[in-house]
Amino acid sequence: DIQMTQSPSSLSASVGDRVTITCRASPKISNFLNWYQQKPGKAPKLLIYAASSLNNGVPSRFSGAGSRTDFTLTISGLQPEDFATYYCQQTYSIPWTFGPGTKVEIK
Amino acid sequence: QVQLQESGPGLVKPSETLSLTCAVSGVSMTNNIYYWGWIRQPPGKEPEWIGTVFYNGSTHYAPSLKSRVTISADTSKSQFSLRLTSVTTADTAVYYCARAHTIFGVAIRYYFDYWGQGTLVTVSS
Repeated sequence: DIQMTQSPSSLSASVGDRVTITCRASPKISNFLNWYQQKPGKAPKLLIYAASSLNNGVPSRFSGAGSRTDFTLTISGLQPEDFATYYCQQTYSIPWTFGPGTKVEIK
Repeated sequence: QVQLQESGPGLVKPSETLSLTCAVSGVSMTNNIYYWGWIRQPPGKEPEWIGTVFYNGSTHYAPSLKSRVTISADTSKSQFSLRLTSVTTADTAVYYCARAHTIFGVAIRYYFDYWGQGTLVTVSS
């Protein structure tokens, strides 16, 4: 199975901050990488697909980058509604796997 | 608008079979750019992909669950289903159904763009 790791596991930030979350895949997965946001008690919401493509309706402050093994999700100007847990997911090979998540909390 | 809704028992006894159905509305299940999938999330953990089904019945399953899982599609009712046999307490989770959108190219890319609200299934005697 492809192993997905994320760092940090949690972070504290203030409204307006720029936040970057890292996801690492082993072995490489080209750009078969998606990012989701999940709030407590809710289903995950797709933010980014194919590493850098913004899903319809997602604010442009979210951006994704990377390829092969190293990926980032950046939030440029954190908003109150962005406090949540973020997961990366690979769909390069079966089984499709998710990272362990990064919880973004209010400082 | 696209909507998915899970239904099924919230409590299943150990060794029995977990059965869930996902009703799909607002989109045709026979559109060949979509697969239909099940994902579960144990309390406090990351999501785990269980498997996906194409409208023609073609399936892909997570190897760790393959011996116990069946996913099927009924396009006449616009729904798809999950069966998980011989459940244990480790199968306790919120179960989500979701649409897997595909991007065709040199390779096929998938992403889950619409999800149901999820249903908690507890395995307990």
